[in-house]
Amino acid sequence: DQQVKQNSPSLSVQEGRISILNCDYTNSMFDYFLWYKKYPAEGPTFLISISSIKDKNEDGRFTVFLNKSAKHLSLHIVPSQPGDSAVYFCAASGNFPNAGKSTFGDGTTLTVKP
Amino acid sequence: DTGVSQNPRHKITKRGQNVTFRCDPISEHNRLYWYRQTLGQGPEFLTYFQNEAQLEKSRLLSDRFSAERPKGSFSTLEIQRTEQGDSAMYLCASSLDYGGSYNEQFFGPGTRLTVL
Repeated sequence: DQQVKQNSPSLSVQEGRISILNCDYTNSMFDYFLWYKKYPAEGPTFLISISSIKDKNEDGRFTVFLNKSAKHLSLHIVPSQPGDSAVYFCAASGNFPNAGKSTFGDGTTLTVKP
Repeated sequence: DTGVSQNPRHKITKRGQNVTFRCDPISEHNRLYWYRQTLGQGPEFLTYFQNEAQLEKSRLLSDRFSAERPKGSFSTLEIQRTEQGDSAMYLCASSLDYGGSYNEQFFGPGTRLTVL
């Protein structure tokens, strides 16, 4: 049973427009959520996170929204740039049985067209 | 700080052989994680350490897999009697966390294993 799902394998947007990447989770014990970006031949790199006590966290062009009742989070990138083209992974963590390990979704490949 | 390093970057082996991978985390990080990633999927948790203690192993991890972090610094992941289904990217990550907290993990570039 996949506990973190990214239902859109790919997304294509025009440079300067908004990119919205979505993620759903099923385990209500998750209380910390992260987004990672991955370029080919590299490991994932951390982008932004949000704790379950918040519903929004912003960092420059990146904003993550959390809807706990719907078990849904989204990453907004505004404005999108060609350098944002990468695979984006949503990840969730919880303090069970040990804090720290993350459960990842399968990723969404974002392509930003110039 | 040179980040998380993994060696080798690529490993090709024949079915039935044993392989060992090494991960050097960021020096001050106390937690170290191993993940496996196959094409089109996200990283799948294998195991993790807090200092030298192995706190959790995935129930998906067969007994052919073993990991160590002997002095709380670098870690090794060994796969015995490799099978073609073991072919994947093996990712190592580290983080600095205490108690019930958790922060972002810093990933290495991975070791790509191909079992022929």
